[in-house]
Amino acid sequence: NAGVTQTPKFQVLKTGQSMTLQCAQDMNHNSMYWYRQDPGMGLRLIYYSASEGTTDKGEVPNGYNVSRLNKREFSLRLESAAPSQTSVYFCASRGGTELYSGANVLTFGAGSRLTVL
Amino acid sequence: AQKVTQAQTEISVVEKEDVTLDCVYETRDTTYYLFWYKQPPSGELVFLIRRNSFDEQNEISGRYSWNFQKSTSSFNFTITASQVVDSAVYFCALSEAWVDGTASKLTFGTGTRLQVTL
Repeated sequence: NAGVTQTPKFQVLKTGQSMTLQCAQDMNHNSMYWYRQDPGMGLRLIYYSASEGTTDKGEVPNGYNVSRLNKREFSLRLESAAPSQTSVYFCASRGGTELYSGANVLTFGAGSRLTVL
Repeated sequence: AQKVTQAQTEISVVEKEDVTLDCVYETRDTTYYLFWYKQPPSGELVFLIRRNSFDEQNEISGRYSWNFQKSTSSFNFTITASQVVDSAVYFCALSEAWVDGTASKLTFGTGTRLQVTL
């Protein structure tokens, strides 16, 4: 059971470069999320998606774009990377029997460590 | 706005000691869900427990126990007879119960790093 798969696991970028973090889940979950984790700040929500074709901004969306082209995949794009975007990025999905229910547990990917020089 | 506070940044204990990790939350919702996640040194996030706002019964699972007190907006986590394998960062999180037409969000605290030594 793959669960939530993120690629790449590690990436080093130079300031101004662009890249896309890929996320795919095989659990038929409706909701998907992107968080970033920084020391002392916990996990902060970047963007989330309730279903295919819909996305919403989270707490720290500036400098990022997302795409939910289908139910399985939710990608995060950095158009012009900055050192402040150095972080560990986690993708997560949430399913269960009730759509959009806050009771459902988030399942996380293994994380992607991004360094911007 | 929802908020989760984990005031303890780092805790160090000696193996077999009991330790309590504090979590205080703020929400205007009457129905909500509270979670604890564990992040071991390997980095993955592991779900530990979920509690809804209408269920104030304490829960025990082996050496782990959780104390939910709505009156003080707290959801504390106790590890009894700690072990080295318990060393990890522990996150408390709060979720809206339901948002019409979109996904409910999970708000995390800043985490407590627990170091258990021999």
